[in-house]
Amino acid sequence: QKEVEQDPGPLSVPEGAIVSLNCTYSNSAFQYFMWYRQYSRKGPELLMYTYSSGNKEDGRFTAQVDKSSKYISLFIRDSQPSDSATYLCAMSRSGFQKLVFGTGTRLLVSP
Amino acid sequence: GAGVSQSPRYKVAKRGQDVALRCDPISGHVSLFWYQQALGQGPEFLTYFQNEAQLDKSGLPSDRFFAERPEGSVSTLKIQRTQQEDSAVYLCASSLAFIGDSYNEQFFGPGTRLTVL
Repeated sequence: QKEVEQDPGPLSVPEGAIVSLNCTYSNSAFQYFMWYRQYSRKGPELLMYTYSSGNKEDGRFTAQVDKSSKYISLFIRDSQPSDSATYLCAMSRSGFQKLVFGTGTRLLVSP
Repeated sequence: GAGVSQSPRYKVAKRGQDVALRCDPISGHVSLFWYQQALGQGPEFLTYFQNEAQLDKSGLPSDRFFAERPEGSVSTLKIQRTQQEDSAVYLCASSLAFIGDSYNEQFFGPGTRLTVL
């Protein structure tokens, strides 16, 4: 069993929909939780990070971490076709150590 | 400003050949990571440098994989006697040195897509 589980999708939604992406993990030592976005043939780019449990909002994006359930989520409001990409959750024990990634969820937003 | 660059972007090798993949991190970034991303999978950690010191190589899949960063800047990932299962995208990421409790963002390069025939 992988340390981080993520549904690979694809997830297809119409423009303007609210998107919910999530990951579960098994290692309780993880303290930092990140969401990266990866376009085809590009490297991942950081969307948001959260330290420990709680919520964080940045524009149309909201990240949630529930350490008691070992469950993290990313919500995208008013989704746009330009949001079509693969979304990777990633976790680490500290702010400067290696990242452990999920499989990535491919999101398709149709106009 | 310039981001992380990697070369070559694409590499085709015959099984048994040796390959060398280069990473140029963001100037001033102390930490450098290599990840391997198989098709349809998330990146998996290979190795980590702080300056020229290789502090963690626990993710290297076999002794055919070797990484170096001799002057604490450019890094090279070398794969000897390539096998078909080595086909993947190899990503390099760099970050600033450890600063308090904040997440030190890892900035990724575009990757090198290696195909072993």
